[in-house]
Amino acid sequence: EAGVVQSPRYKIIEKKQPVAFWCNPISGHNTLYWYLQNLGQGPELLIRYENEEAVDDSQLPKDRFSAERLKGVDSTLKIQPAELGDSAVYLCASSLGGVADTQYFGPGTRLTVL
Amino acid sequence: DAKTTQPPSMDCAEGRAANLPCNHSTISGNEYVYWYRQIHSQGPQYIIHGLKNNETNEMASLIITEDRKSSTLILPHATLRDTAVYYCIVRVGGTGTASKLTFGTGTRLQVTL
Repeated sequence: EAGVVQSPRYKIIEKKQPVAFWCNPISGHNTLYWYLQNLGQGPELLIRYENEEAVDDSQLPKDRFSAERLKGVDSTLKIQPAELGDSAVYLCASSLGGVADTQYFGPGTRLTVL
Repeated sequence: DAKTTQPPSMDCAEGRAANLPCNHSTISGNEYVYWYRQIHSQGPQYIIHGLKNNETNEMASLIITEDRKSSTLILPHATLRDTAVYYCIVRVGGTGTASKLTFGTGTRLQVTL
């Protein structure tokens, strides 16, 4: 079974440019998560989707970050405009739900803002 | 979510058992104990989880104390590929807002020859 797929794996942009990350969850997983991981720290949740609905976006900086999951399957996370401090790894995870709700992570996209 | 305390780093010789401790003294009755690990430049990998009973799978064993205030992840025969940061997380079950994974800084396990 294919895992969570993310692209691109690496992205280098100049500050003030836009950038987008794509995630395709494990087939059948209705819940999708975007996390941010700064160097030397654990991942932090940005947004959680149940199907196409964003049910927890309290940690998403809405002035420059946006996300969508239009058909309840794959998802895109966008930053516009990017700032130097946005350099980090952006991780996508998905889960089947249920009581245990185990989350499975993709490899992440490493963003470098110059 | 209950806070967890883990040692920042540990060493283990290859072929020996790696025992990674985690303290979660304020855990609630409906909170699960989860373990993830993150190998360099990869996303976190799910290892195992448990509520009250000890659990074992093909990767590891999870031992939870009777009072649930601490747990130990056991890798029975560590290999160099087990070198990673190991995260112990406690969380409420289900998919509600309270069930989010809150990662700490974890334990950096170094497996050596």
